Amino acid sequence: KQEVTQIPAALSVPEGENLVLNCSFTDSAIYNLQWFRQDPGKGLTSLLLIQSSQREQTSGRLNASLDKSSGRSTLYIAASQPGDSATYLCAPSTGGFKTIFGAGTRLFVKA
Amino acid sequence: NAGVTQTPKFQVLKTGQSMTLQCAQDMNHEYMSWYRQDPGMGLRLIHYSVGAGITDQGEVPNGYNVSRSTTEDFPLRLLSAAPSQTSVYFCASSYRDRGAYEQYFGPGTRLTVT
Repeated sequence: KQEVTQIPAALSVPEGENLVLNCSFTDSAIYNLQWFRQDPGKGLTSLLLIQSSQREQTSGRLNASLDKSSGRSTLYIAASQPGDSATYLCAPSTGGFKTIFGAGTRLFVKA
Repeated sequence: NAGVTQTPKFQVLKTGQSMTLQCAQDMNHEYMSWYRQDPGMGLRLIHYSVGAGITDQGEVPNGYNVSRSTTEDFPLRLLSAAPSQTSVYFCASSYRDRGAYEQYFGPGTRLTVT
């Protein structure tokens, strides 16, 4: 059974810092991994999707890497801003519906 | 495209009442899923469907029923609401594209059972 762990559970940083969010998963037979952002009381917004054959994906200040064999993914946020404050969820998929979510990392960026 | 839509946004039920949460998608996705999200926990899969007429249980299916008569709609029925079903419910759809399954989520339904 896939288990997903996200570290740290919460993070508070001053504006402008570069930061790394970590995700580990136990079943490496994944098709892809998505990173989502969730604002309080809102739905999930997809940030990046990495296919199993890829090592990384980039979108603006966000860069996600994937090491499938070791069951790890990281989300790198450059030059953090207060608007980045949210919960970040990691979700590896072993099929169209077989997506297991981590509990998330709550990020607070102080102005 | 409207994407994935859910109704209602908020609902309060009394213990023992039944209701249906609606979910629809206009992207012709074959896969649809229902998740619940509780404080401090990740999303947990309730039921899923791999196509019209085909549904199956996820990790927390008790107390919920689903059906999928069309590709677009995937309603979730609470048979007899219990306080333990107080949660935020998300519907998602996905499809296979070049070996990857990208999930699209609805805005959620916040349910309180008293």
